[in-house]
Amino acid sequence: SQQGEEDPQALSIQEGENATMNCSYKTSINNLQWYRQNSGRGLVHLILIRSNEREKHSGRLRVTLDTSKKSSSLLITASRAADTASYFCATPPRAAGTALIFGKGTTLSVSS
Amino acid sequence: GAVVSQHPSRVICKSGTSVKIECRSLDFQATTMFWYRQFPKQSLMLMATSNEGSKATYEQGVEKDKFLINHASLTLSTLTVTSAHPEDSSFYICSALPGTHNEQFFGPGTRLTVL
Repeated sequence: SQQGEEDPQALSIQEGENATMNCSYKTSINNLQWYRQNSGRGLVHLILIRSNEREKHSGRLRVTLDTSKKSSSLLITASRAADTASYFCATPPRAAGTALIFGKGTTLSVSS
Repeated sequence: GAVVSQHPSRVICKSGTSVKIECRSLDFQATTMFWYRQFPKQSLMLMATSNEGSKATYEQGVEKDKFLINHASLTLSTLTVTSAHPEDSSFYICSALPGTHNEQFFGPGTRLTVL
């Protein structure tokens, strides 16, 4: 079963613009992770935010977590064409270190 | 960083044949590996949890006799799709968990096409 819902499902922007993707989840979590997947390829781990953290940065990525609303957002600043990919949030709902439950994903298209 | 490989990356087979997919953790030991399946334009769905030295745990709706999982060592798990059918065509991705880390490391995936 799906844990989360990403919003929007698809996003098209111009290079240089910021892209914001949202994720909502259903159960209590230990952490929430964001992944990127280029078309037909494997997953790349982007960032992990723990349940006691509210915001985390990594390069051009900024992730927020609101456990009271069971939601997270991923912001990519100054987007590039190479950021074109699908982005998924994922959580280990049963316990840390167990299988991940993935959201449906947001497909981001960045045009130059 | 930790590297997980999958072999083959692509496989095309005839209906009714069996296909084995290998997942290896190259520079760490993984007592637990996970197998996911991803249909086109969809998200990853967990199929089963593979534990070294014990039977795999399958998610609801996944047939254990059709998707055979063997986790024979701390660096290798295999998924065998038996009597494959066209509806089994999908992208199969494994991940490996080093110890009690939170972060899983994903393989590059195997694209299975059943004719």
